[in-house]
Amino acid sequence: QVQLVQSGAVVKKPGSSVKVSCKTSGASFSNYAISWVRQAPGQGLEWVGGILPIFGKPNYAQKFQGRVTITTDESTSTAYMDLSSLRSEDTAVFYCARGLSPFDWLSPFNYWGQGTLVTVSS
Amino acid sequence: EIVLTQSPGTLSLSPGETATLSCRASQSVSSSYLAWYQQKPGQAPRLLIYGASSRATGIPDRFSGSGSGTDFTLTISRLEPEDFAVYYCQQYGSSPPWSFGQGTKLEIK
Repeated sequence: QVQLVQSGAVVKKPGSSVKVSCKTSGASFSNYAISWVRQAPGQGLEWVGGILPIFGKPNYAQKFQGRVTITTDESTSTAYMDLSSLRSEDTAVFYCARGLSPFDWLSPFNYWGQGTLVTVSS
Repeated sequence: EIVLTQSPGTLSLSPGETATLSCRASQSVSSSYLAWYQQKPGQAPRLLIYGASSRATGIPDRFSGSGSGTDFTLTISRLEPEDFAVYYCQQYGSSPPWSFGQGTKLEIK
């Protein structure tokens, strides 16, 4: 049974950074792409970036380039998203999501974490 | 980057009716790498359809997807009360960035 469990809600000040974790259960963590998706309050879904651990190199949406870093710890089957220079517009729920097919970047998101609310407020 | 435009923004129907949701891409989606998700309030999205027309595990056959190139459709037959939600299309072909449509809200009439 695959599960993605994310870290809890946080409140951050403008200009600071946040690191959200996503611990996966089930086999073969390294073989499946993990993506991060942002959803602002009442808004739609926005792909932030992702990584296929076995290949190592992350990909980021241009909008977040320079502010986001996605990493993994294969020893704990955990993915992380680090977002810096936070502003009020970053207030959102961030989801991690796992690809459907192994070894395949071109894979829809079959499993999702429960979401982590990041609130940016002074 | 491929931009996806969904229509209509809101669809008001009654249980038992058929819903037809549209997703149009700004350029061709390679190999029909197009997915549909359902999202209910307070929940994470759920994968319904991938590869434009393949149902994900556990998805009832009332849900069907079709289309290719730049025009895709999600059809929900015999609407059940639990089907009323927001639906998103997503393209995941070729190379990142992946993009989502802005969503269609399916509400009870």
